[in-house]
Amino acid sequence: AQSVTQLDSQVPVFEEAPVELRCNYSSSVSVYLFWYVQYPNQGLQLLLKYLSGSTLVKGINGFEAEFNKSQTSFHLRKPSVHISDTAEYFCAVRAYSSASKIIFGSGTRLSIRP
Amino acid sequence: EAGVAQSPRYKIIEKRQSVAFWCNPISGHATLYWYQQILGQGPKLLIQFQNNGVVDDSQLPKDRFSAERLKGVDSTLKIQPAKLEDSAVYLCASSLGSGIRQETQYFGPGTRLLVL
Repeated sequence: AQSVTQLDSQVPVFEEAPVELRCNYSSSVSVYLFWYVQYPNQGLQLLLKYLSGSTLVKGINGFEAEFNKSQTSFHLRKPSVHISDTAEYFCAVRAYSSASKIIFGSGTRLSIRP
Repeated sequence: EAGVAQSPRYKIIEKRQSVAFWCNPISGHATLYWYQQILGQGPKLLIQFQNNGVVDDSQLPKDRFSAERLKGVDSTLKIQPAKLEDSAVYLCASSLGSGIRQETQYFGPGTRLLVL
């Protein structure tokens, strides 16, 4: 079975500052990794995903994440945040098996201060 | 392109009552998912359909929850009878298919259920 741990439930940062949202996963098999964003009163939207290849994945809105297999991590980063990035961010994992489902972490609420 | 539609957006009921949620996926998407998102937690998959067949319902509390996708398009999720712990946001998502490269899931805005 797979699991996802998002170590920070809330991350406050100032506008234009860099941010890193941490995600660690546990799995006995190879996995795909995802980051989703949920803006207030909206559904989830895919930010980026790692399927294979380069471990540095670039997504929408200037976000990127790096897959680190040895540390079983998939941290999300942005060099300079904007007020519009205020949202909840979910890390998710899915095993390679075609029968597996996506498992979501508990989320990190990013709040941007002007 | 129209997104995933869900209704109602909000629902308040008393425990032991019944409730139903409706979802219309993106046109052409074969796979439909229902998730339950309890406050402070990530979404948890309740049921996954491929066209009108069930692929995974291992986490659906079948004694009170049911779901159908009769014509392989829109879907209904029902709770009967509701319990206090069913208070959550119910998210519907759809994807082109279930293979990893077709599996980008597009989510609707959700239905927020409060059981009193």
